[in-house]
Amino acid sequence: NAGVTQTPKFRILKIGQSMTLQCTQDMNHNYMYWYRQDPGMGLKLIYYSVGAGITDKGEVPNGYNVSRSTTEDFPLRLELAAPSQTSVYFCASSYFQDRPAEQYFGPGTRLTVT
Amino acid sequence: GEDVEQSLFLSVREGDSSVINCTYTDSSSTYLYWYKQEPGAGLQLLTYIFSNMDMKQDQRLTVLLNKKDKHLSLRIADTQTGDSAIYFCAERRISGGSQGNLIFGKGTKLSVKP
Repeated sequence: NAGVTQTPKFRILKIGQSMTLQCTQDMNHNYMYWYRQDPGMGLKLIYYSVGAGITDKGEVPNGYNVSRSTTEDFPLRLELAAPSQTSVYFCASSYFQDRPAEQYFGPGTRLTVT
Repeated sequence: GEDVEQSLFLSVREGDSSVINCTYTDSSSTYLYWYKQEPGAGLQLLTYIFSNMDMKQDQRLTVLLNKKDKHLSLRIADTQTGDSAIYFCAERRISGGSQGNLIFGKGTKLSVKP
């Protein structure tokens, strides 16, 4: 199993551009998450999904959109990039919510908006 | 302030024990976690403890939970240079509409000196 994979690893965007961060997991996990990690901070939840076709907002959803058309994929869309979205983005997945529910993290996408 | 709080830095000598502390605020949290993040990588689950336990030991790791004071600690025995990383405390809340999502602290950067 590859686990959770994310592409790209790095990206520089200009203000106002759009992009999609890709996330794929091959563990048949039903739950998937997107976090952002700002320097010196913990992770903040952007969006999550409890299964294909179901998504919900996390703590910091503004400026982002997600979709979950398959169990494996959970892309994160930035429509109008702003400098405040400069961050490292992590995708994660987990299997159950009623157990320790270990979240498996991808390696991250480092995004800079200038 | 942050709901989950940790000291930001800890420096120890190789072979000593490291103790990383964390306080959380939600008494209804069911599981508490310690994640490790190495430079340029995603988070990896180190260990977790269920809220009705007060101690859990796993090889060199000991987790202590004081539920009354909402205090969690991670002790690493015989700390090695390979333990140098950022350690995140996280609580999993079930109450309200959070769907059991994780709330992370800012992380404690552990530096191990040879």
